Amino acid sequence: AQSVTQLDSHVSVSEGTPVLLRCNYSSSYSPSLFWYVQHPNKGLQLLLKYTSAATLVKGINGFEAEFKKSETSFHLTKPSAHMSDAAEYFCVVRHTGRRALTFGSGTRLQVQP
Amino acid sequence: SAVISQKPSRDICQRGTSLTIQCQVDSQVTMMFWYRQQPGQSLTLIATANQGSEATYESGFVIDKFPISRPNLTFSTLTVSNMSPEDSSIYLCSVTILAQTSTDTQYFGPGTRLTVL
Repeated sequence: AQSVTQLDSHVSVSEGTPVLLRCNYSSSYSPSLFWYVQHPNKGLQLLLKYTSAATLVKGINGFEAEFKKSETSFHLTKPSAHMSDAAEYFCVVRHTGRRALTFGSGTRLQVQP
Repeated sequence: SAVISQKPSRDICQRGTSLTIQCQVDSQVTMMFWYRQQPGQSLTLIATANQGSEATYESGFVIDKFPISRPNLTFSTLTVSNMSPEDSSIYLCSVTILAQTSTDTQYFGPGTRLTVL
């Protein structure tokens, strides 16, 4: 079975400082991994995805994530946080052989001025 | 990407009634899914909507409670039947796009916020 674990339910950073949102996955095969963002009262937006090409994936709004097979991790980073980054972030894995997604529990990012 | 619309965007319903949520996409899609996001929780897959056949339900979800239709490639409905306060959630439609070479990416609708009194 495939699953994904987001290690922090809540992360708080100051504006202009780096962001690190941690995600570990379990999968019997090479997974497809995604990060989605959900702003308050808005829909889900795809930030980036990994599908077995380059291990360092660049997404929108300056976010990137690195797929590390040896650590079964797919952490999301951004060099400098902006106030508009405050939102809920979901790490997601796609089931092998299916199209449905399994969502992590989410990490709420708070950005302090 | 695709433009996905859901109707209604929100509703407040009485216990014991049913609500049908519509999902319309502006592109032909390969797969359509329905998810539930309970208050303060992550998303859970309810079912895969199959065109012209019965939906495929995940463990814990049944057709009698969540009947789903998908009459064509761009439209699906989810009904929440005999509602109770525990059904208060955001219900989201998601799709994968037929035209894209990689069908891994799922796009999500804006969601329907349901409150059951």
